[in-house]
Amino acid sequence: QQQVKQSPQSLIVQKGGISIINCAYENTAFDYFPWYQQFPGKGPALLIAIRPDVSEKKEGRFTISFNKSAKQFSLHIMDSQPGDSATYFCAAIPNDYKLSFGAGTTVTVRA
Amino acid sequence: NAGVTQTPKFRILKIGQSMTLQCAQDMNHNYMYWYRQDPGMGLKLIYYSVGAGITDKGEVPNGYNVSRSTTEDFPLRLELAAPSQTSVYFCASSWGQGVTDTQYFGPGTRLTVL
Repeated sequence: QQQVKQSPQSLIVQKGGISIINCAYENTAFDYFPWYQQFPGKGPALLIAIRPDVSEKKEGRFTISFNKSAKQFSLHIMDSQPGDSATYFCAAIPNDYKLSFGAGTTVTVRA
Repeated sequence: NAGVTQTPKFRILKIGQSMTLQCAQDMNHNYMYWYRQDPGMGLKLIYYSVGAGITDKGEVPNGYNVSRSTTEDFPLRLELAAPSQTSVYFCASSWGQGVTDTQYFGPGTRLTVL
């Protein structure tokens, strides 16, 4: 049973376009929402994260939008570049500190 | 620093065989984790450890065992391999277990059970 639902499963975007990945959760005990980036053959690496008391966080071309009332959060990749082609996982951390991951979104940026 | 290292990178097992996946970290992290990653399913926590000598079950522990005799090492043991254990296995570590403590992942071990 997936505690964090992620969509879409994959997306293709042109270079310079915007990639949007959405996640939804049910457990209101989640305290922190990180996003991980994974390149083929590598382990996931933390990309950006947000607390539920913040509605938006931006780091460079990556922005998390968080809607606490709807229990949804999303990752926006602005000005997508071929080097952004990877699998992105949203995650949520409850008060027992065990990460729950979404199923992942494979992003392909076409040059 | 090498970070989190895992060996082997790839392995093929026959049903019923056993093996140990090795994981080591050189960041002096207290917390270590084992995950499995199945296609379209994200990562699921198998076992974790909060320090040498202390381990606990995660979401999918059946068929696996762990031990933590040192801060650096956290091996994962498969006793009787089954096709359902075909997966990519990731080891991770973190300094603490607070919500903002980043988990650092190793490069993974791809295991196939035939």
